[in-house]
Amino acid sequence: SYVLTQPPSVSVAPGQTATITCEGDDIGRKTVHWYQQEAGQAPVLVIYNDDKRPSGIPERVSGSNSGNTATLTINRVEAGDEADYYCQVWDSSRDHRVFGGGTKLTVL
Amino acid sequence: QVQLQESGPGLVKPSETLSLTCTISGDSVTSSGVYWGWVRQPPGKGLEWIGYIFYTGSTSYNPSLKGRVSISSDTSKNSFSLHLTSVTAADSAVYYCTRSTLSMARGLIGDYFDFWGQGSLVTVSS
Repeated sequence: SYVLTQPPSVSVAPGQTATITCEGDDIGRKTVHWYQQEAGQAPVLVIYNDDKRPSGIPERVSGSNSGNTATLTINRVEAGDEADYYCQVWDSSRDHRVFGGGTKLTVL
Repeated sequence: QVQLQESGPGLVKPSETLSLTCTISGDSVTSSGVYWGWVRQPPGKGLEWIGYIFYTGSTSYNPSLKGRVSISSDTSKNSFSLHLTSVTAADSAVYYCTRSTLSMARGLIGDYFDFWGQGSLVTVSS
């Protein structure tokens, strides 16, 4: 089955840039979606189709995808960005959906 | 605005069947290009995709659940349901019902989870 690998944790100071990676075999040939999950809450879609933002998601949140790595970037990080972030793809060969293991973003 | 609401028992005994229902408002279980499904999250762990039912009635499930899972829909109640048989403590989790939307980007087909229920905690214990 298709595997997505994320770093367990990322730490960043307020105002700095957070970069969260999602690695998968030839992931650039899939569309990648990202979800933010605050403590005790349901996940929320923050990036879809690699780099598209749903309405209400600020422009400082962006995504990219190429080769074997997709990346979620959060510029000018705020305390409110502290959450778990998950990447997700569709494994079309099996018609399954796959999540990465999640990355805990800590704002120092 | 689409809203999803899970309902069902919060406690299930080992070896029994876990059943949850998701009631949809603001959309229809027969909407084209939409998948209705379930995702779970064991306490302190990550998200795990369970499966979906498409508006056509077709289904797909996570093979890790080894044939214990089924998802069905009820058009009269505008809802869909999850059934997981022979549960063990490892099935204890928050269960989320979801809507995912079929999309095309860069010539690639995919879908993303655009709406989630609030989640329903199910504990498997005697």
